[in-house]
Amino acid sequence: DSGVTQTPKHLITATGQRVTLRCSPRSGDLSVYWYQQSLDQGLQFLIQYYNGEERAKGNILERFSAQQFPDLHSELNLSSLELGDSALYFCASSSVTNTEAFFGQGTRLTVV
Amino acid sequence: GEDVEQSLFLSVREGDSSVINCTYTDSSSTYLYWYKQEPGAGLQLLTYIFSNMDMKQDQRLTVLLNKKDKHLSLRIADTQTGDSAIYFCAERSADRRALTFGSGTRLQVQP
Repeated sequence: DSGVTQTPKHLITATGQRVTLRCSPRSGDLSVYWYQQSLDQGLQFLIQYYNGEERAKGNILERFSAQQFPDLHSELNLSSLELGDSALYFCASSSVTNTEAFFGQGTRLTVV
Repeated sequence: GEDVEQSLFLSVREGDSSVINCTYTDSSSTYLYWYKQEPGAGLQLLTYIFSNMDMKQDQRLTVLLNKKDKHLSLRIADTQTGDSAIYFCAERSADRRALTFGSGTRLQVQP
């Protein structure tokens, strides 16, 4: 168990809908990262938050957004969903030293 | 930009050693990582190496880094069926916190 918790584990939704994925980082970790894992794109970095502030952006679509709350949990919002958004979405957290990043079990999103 | 390459598949017999290779392009890579992903599971951090090291050993795992050739390898000694998984190489630089991953190597261990 990495200590990073993601909910829900599975999500099935229709095209055009909006979903929210939730991540609780390891106790004491201030950084949260979101990654998308798909068959054609592999593991892609989406966005990073550090102590509530956006720190870095990767290949995140404009239809996607995220935030990190004062209790350090993070949410990834995906809107106007398309079939191609079907993927595993991972959250990872790391400490201030940032040497190691620990991943949650992921949320498998299926858009039908 | 950063790029990390891995071979897609490796098959070994139980008890043999496995060597999974990875190459990367970013010369400013500071940390290099190996993650393991079992079916339906998340990414488990196996080990990492700092760019000023050549080798790191952790029980059955040995990581070798050739910084000149930008080549990283993971050796698993006495490979077991439980080692069957996808292994991802990843790197990051000092100023870039997010990881860049390779496409993963599927390790199949034959009994």
